[in-house]
Amino acid sequence: EADIYQTPRYLVIGTGKKITLECSQTMGHDKMYWYQQDPGMELHLIHYSYGVNSTEKGDLSSESTVSRIRTEHFPLTLESARPSHTSQYLCASSRGVLAGGTQETQYFGPGTRLLVL
Amino acid sequence: AQSVTQLDSHVSVSEGTPVLLRCNYSSSYSPSLFWYVQHPNKGLQLLLKYTSAATLVKGINGFEAEFKKSETSFHLTKPSAHMSDAAEYFCVVSGPRGTGSARQLTFGSGTQLTVLP
Repeated sequence: EADIYQTPRYLVIGTGKKITLECSQTMGHDKMYWYQQDPGMELHLIHYSYGVNSTEKGDLSSESTVSRIRTEHFPLTLESARPSHTSQYLCASSRGVLAGGTQETQYFGPGTRLLVL
Repeated sequence: AQSVTQLDSHVSVSEGTPVLLRCNYSSSYSPSLFWYVQHPNKGLQLLLKYTSAATLVKGINGFEAEFKKSETSFHLTKPSAHMSDAAEYFCVVSGPRGTGSARQLTFGSGTQLTVLP
């Protein structure tokens, strides 16, 4: 069973507030990801990290920022929340593609549903 | 359980010739299938997705893929390769639809596409 956790699970907050969505995994995975998903839609990658002190932006532009100071922790921060940020945010981790081409599986946390009023 | 197999780890084509990247899947459910592209030092970008509507799916940059249930395949094609198509391509199968969120995405091992001038 994958051990990846996200808090909070649900968050309702007013416009302009600073928020941090937490993501932690205990599997020792080097790669971690943040995805944004609107209801019934596909995942869009907004941030990813290949390891400590590595962060990159994904294919969907996002006003959020991330940090990776520890392997197990990959928090996402919005400095000033807006209604357009209302969505579900999913964190994932993986070991990456192994030598020999073994397929990669990403394990996802339960997600944080964010509502900005 | 689900799995995805990309049959070629490397494909080389000349500019202007057709592209075919092969993908076979295995799933206990009616799957959702995706193709993602990753350019060097970039994150994953969604090319196209299949979620049970039309079996021929058109994506960005002239790519398309056909879902063939009888062959459990989801091959990616493009009529005419461009130099900018050189990248790594991942075939992805997701968990059962209707869950509201993707609990697990399984990525293929990737196909590196080289486009020769």
